[in-house]
Amino acid sequence: DAGITQSPRHKVTETGTPVTLRCHQTENHRYMYWYRQDPGHGLRLIHYSYGVKDTDKGEVSDGYSVSRSKTEDFLLTLESATSSQTSVYFCAISDQLAGGLSDTQYFGPGTRLTVL
Amino acid sequence: KQEVTQIPAALSVPEGENLVLNCSFTDSAIYNLQWFRQDPGKGLTSLLLIQSSQREQTSGRLNASLDKSSGRSTLYIAASQPGDSATYLCAVTNQAGTALIFGKGTTLSVSS
Repeated sequence: DAGITQSPRHKVTETGTPVTLRCHQTENHRYMYWYRQDPGHGLRLIHYSYGVKDTDKGEVSDGYSVSRSKTEDFLLTLESATSSQTSVYFCAISDQLAGGLSDTQYFGPGTRLTVL
Repeated sequence: KQEVTQIPAALSVPEGENLVLNCSFTDSAIYNLQWFRQDPGKGLTSLLLIQSSQREQTSGRLNASLDKSSGRSTLYIAASQPGDSATYLCAVTNQAGTALIFGKGTTLSVSS
């Protein structure tokens, strides 16, 4: 157990509404990530963070924003949800090895989001 | 752009068989490779991490190998059990050495 929780675990919302997903870790890991998992596409990186207030875009970042105001929390926001954002969202954490490389990534339980 | 491919997409074997899952990647400039297991409706569980300087890693009945030059990795499962039934995902780090790029997985079914 890498001490990662995600909330909510399930959410149904309507097109055009804002949605925020939360990832919380208890082990002070430096890196945090948001992925989405879709049939036929596998897991794809949305955004990641390499420290408090330090974030960068991933492969599928359009329509998403993130914030990390403290080490333990990484928030993913859909400013105006669309049906194409219906997916399962996973948060992950990792540490940094010597030389700046990332260590093993540990994943949270996921959030199933449905946008109607 | 790095692409990761896993073959086969699905595999069914009887209990007790030894089996090999394959993973290939297009850019050999990786920092590490990780194998995960995912049960239906669940999150991902890390199985093995192989750093780019390593050739293999072992954990119990699992052995993962890495050949960077050919862009290939294999996950060997010895004496398979019904409890091994799951989807197995291979992922490599991106060139920045931070986030993972995933294959689409191999779904394994082990029958008793």
